[in-house]
Amino acid sequence: ETGVTQSPTHLIKTRGQQVTLRCSSQSGHNTVSWYQQALGQGPQFIFQYYREEENGRGNFPPRFSGLQFPNYSSELNVNALELDDSALYLCASSSAGLGGENTQYFGPGTRLTVL
Amino acid sequence: KQEVTQIPAALSVPEGENLVLNCSFTDSAIYNLQWFRQDPGKGLTSLLLIQSSQREQTSGRLNASLDKSSGRSTLYIAASQPGDSATYLCAVSGDFNKFYFGSGTKLNVKP
Repeated sequence: ETGVTQSPTHLIKTRGQQVTLRCSSQSGHNTVSWYQQALGQGPQFIFQYYREEENGRGNFPPRFSGLQFPNYSSELNVNALELDDSALYLCASSSAGLGGENTQYFGPGTRLTVL
Repeated sequence: KQEVTQIPAALSVPEGENLVLNCSFTDSAIYNLQWFRQDPGKGLTSLLLIQSSQREQTSGRLNASLDKSSGRSTLYIAASQPGDSATYLCAVSGDFNKFYFGSGTKLNVKP
């Protein structure tokens, strides 16, 4: 088991609502990445935070936003939820900053269902 | 844009067989390649990380190889066990430690 935790485990929302997902990174890690995994697909990169700044973003609209706190924990916020936002949201932490040389450790994920 | 493909999409083998999972990627400018295991409804467990300068990594019954110039990696599982049943994901990292994932190979090892 990694030291990455996510909350909540499951969440059900309706279209148009807003949601906040939380992630606590592994001790000593200063970088957090968020991924969206639709059923039967591989995870898709949403964005990454390094030392409280966004450090790269995938092909997701601005209604997906995030924060990283001084203790390196992170939030993913999604506004104006759509049915297609239903997915497993994964958080990964690492000690890498700009390079890709270090292992990423994933949390157990938050299952979001949008009705 | 980096694209990662995994073949086969699903595989069913009897216990004890050796097997090979394949991963290919379109852009060879990667920092590393990582193999993960995912159990149903769960997060990802890192199995092996191969740096771009390395050719292979081994852990127990698992061996992963990387041929960066041809954009290919294989994960070899020796003497498969029912507990190996899971989805195996291959991911390559580019800038900002951003990982590009394949869709995975769903492995079923029959007792």
